[in-house]
Amino acid sequence: ETGVTQSPTHLIKTRGQQVTLRCSSQSGHNTVSWYQQALGQGPQFIFQYYREEENGRGNFPPRFSGLQFPNYSSELNVNALELDDSALYLCASSLAGRGAADTQYFGPGTRLTVL
Amino acid sequence: AQRVTQPEKLLSVFKGAPVELKCNYSYSGSPELFWYVQYSRQRLQLLLRHISRESIKGFTADLNKRETSFHLKKPFAQEEDSAMYYCALRSGSARQLTFGSGTQLTVLP
Repeated sequence: ETGVTQSPTHLIKTRGQQVTLRCSSQSGHNTVSWYQQALGQGPQFIFQYYREEENGRGNFPPRFSGLQFPNYSSELNVNALELDDSALYLCASSLAGRGAADTQYFGPGTRLTVL
Repeated sequence: AQRVTQPEKLLSVFKGAPVELKCNYSYSGSPELFWYVQYSRQRLQLLLRHISRESIKGFTADLNKRETSFHLKKPFAQEEDSAMYYCALRSGSARQLTFGSGTQLTVLP
């Protein structure tokens, strides 16, 4: 069984640029959730993708967007980067449905620094 | 809106001492609560969920709806328990997790 993987590990961008982060879900999982974790804070829900469609969204502006592909991998895109976007971005995969299989399994994260 | 509060950012206990990490929540529906743990240089992982009523690595957590709490307890702390602990509430159509800000537990020798 392959765990959740994310790329890249670290990324440095400048204000105003655009960034794409990638996530491969755990084998057998069909749902991907993205979280932003600022320094000293808990993860904050950005959005979730299920069957290639956005299935829920947290309090993030539209410049945060995403995609899910037929193989259930996912991308997080952030446009017009701001300094406050500097954070650890976590991807979590799960299998839609109730019960233990609904547990979210987290990737190692991508550390984004905006200068 | 839902909210999870972990009042202690840092908690230190001696090996063998009892430990309790506090978690309070605010949610109008029926809560699903979890504890996640992050050991040094490792990814966030599920420790336990209230619905399972299980004990993992000696840790237990009881949901108290009257006090809206879900405190994590262990009777005898071990050095390997040192980690960051997050309490989380699951809700919404996406069953997304709302996390507290975390408690860094240090178990001293």
